[in-house]
Amino acid sequence: NAGVTQTPKFRILKIGQSMTLQCTQDMNHNYMYWYRQDPGMGLKLIYYSVGAGITDKGEVPNGYNVSRSTTEDFPLRLELAAPSQTSVYFCASSYNRDRFSNQPQHFGDGTRLSIL
Amino acid sequence: TQLLEQSPQFLSIQEGENLTVYCNSSSVFSSLQWYRQEPGEGPVLLVTVVTGGEVKKLKRLTFQFGDARKDSSLHITAAQTGDTGLYLCASNTGNQFYFGTGTSLTVIP
Repeated sequence: NAGVTQTPKFRILKIGQSMTLQCTQDMNHNYMYWYRQDPGMGLKLIYYSVGAGITDKGEVPNGYNVSRSTTEDFPLRLELAAPSQTSVYFCASSYNRDRFSNQPQHFGDGTRLSIL
Repeated sequence: TQLLEQSPQFLSIQEGENLTVYCNSSSVFSSLQWYRQEPGEGPVLLVTVVTGGEVKKLKRLTFQFGDARKDSSLHITAAQTGDTGLYLCASNTGNQFYFGTGTSLTVIP
């Protein structure tokens, strides 16, 4: 059982380039999330999806786009890379959350992205 | 924005010592999660607390949820080198998830 798989693990981009960070999960989770983690800043939610075909903005969505065509995949797109987007990106997934307790989020191992 | 403040930011202790880390907010939480993250990996859930005043134990780790559901603490008894890592608290408002800035714990042998 692979869980949440992110590719690539590392990438260096030039300013203005574009790329897609891939995320796939094999747990049949309907919720998926993208976060970025900067030193000393914790994780910030970029986008999330509650199911195939449904996406919504998180706390820091500017400069990113997502799509959710299948339950398994939730790619994150950077269209015009900027130095401020240098960060570690984490994808996560979880089951439905009921009102009284949150289901655990299962995280991938991250993509380390540098924009130069 | 739901601000989750964690303290201390950094903690370095000797093996065998006890420690407590804190997670505080001005907002009331419906529930709160604690995660541990090791270098080069994603966070892994330790516990979810839901009820005000709740105490949960996970071996040497004791988690407490404040009565007013605005704060939480994690106490580690007799720390081991394997406890080294970044400890994160997290909560949500609807589908928006928020993480604290974390406490980086180093346990020295």
